[in-house]
Amino acid sequence: AQRVTQPEKLLSVFKGAPVELKCNYSYSGSPELFWYVQYSRQRLQLLLRHISRESIKGFTADLNKGETSFHLKKPFAQEEDSAMYYCALIWAGGTSYGKLTFGQGTILTVHP
Amino acid sequence: NAGVTQTPKFRVLKTGQSMTLLCAQDMNHEYMYWYRQDPGMGLRLIHYSVGEGTTAKGEVPDGYNVSRLKKQNFLLGLESAAPSQTSVYFCASSYRASGRHTYEQYFGPGTRLTVT
Repeated sequence: AQRVTQPEKLLSVFKGAPVELKCNYSYSGSPELFWYVQYSRQRLQLLLRHISRESIKGFTADLNKGETSFHLKKPFAQEEDSAMYYCALIWAGGTSYGKLTFGQGTILTVHP
Repeated sequence: NAGVTQTPKFRVLKTGQSMTLLCAQDMNHEYMYWYRQDPGMGLRLIHYSVGEGTTAKGEVPDGYNVSRLKKQNFLLGLESAAPSQTSVYFCASSYRASGRHTYEQYFGPGTRLTVT
């Protein structure tokens, strides 16, 4: 069965420090992985997806198939990055219809 | 465009009561989903729909029923609420572009349900 693990429930850093939110997955196939973010009082929204290989709001994430990881990184954290972050994986098998398996989530707090 | 909306925003039920959560989207999306969010569990898929008149079970479907009579609406029903169904419920929608799924889901604001 596919699984997404975010080992850190809470992560605190100071403004300007580097931040890395960890995500590991187990999946039998070629995964499609995403990071979703939920800012305070806002709805959950897509931050980035690995197939786009893009940088959004300074965040990047590289898919490492050898380590089955998809860690989210930012070199200099900002206070506005404080939010709940979810790593997610497209369901396996047949036509996925976009169904997602989510990790447990990591609450990032960036202190001034 | 309002995007994805959910009604109600909050609700308190007593054990055994029933209710229906409404999700509506104005983006003409084909696919719709219901998730529940619990501390330490992330979001888990309850049911989903790939088109009007079709529904399917997700990861945690027990105790819930759904209907998609119109493309823009996806209803989640609790026939006999239990305290274990206390959660935040999120609806999402997505669409297929160029013959494949876009893989981006658009979420509603959530419904906070408490069952006492």
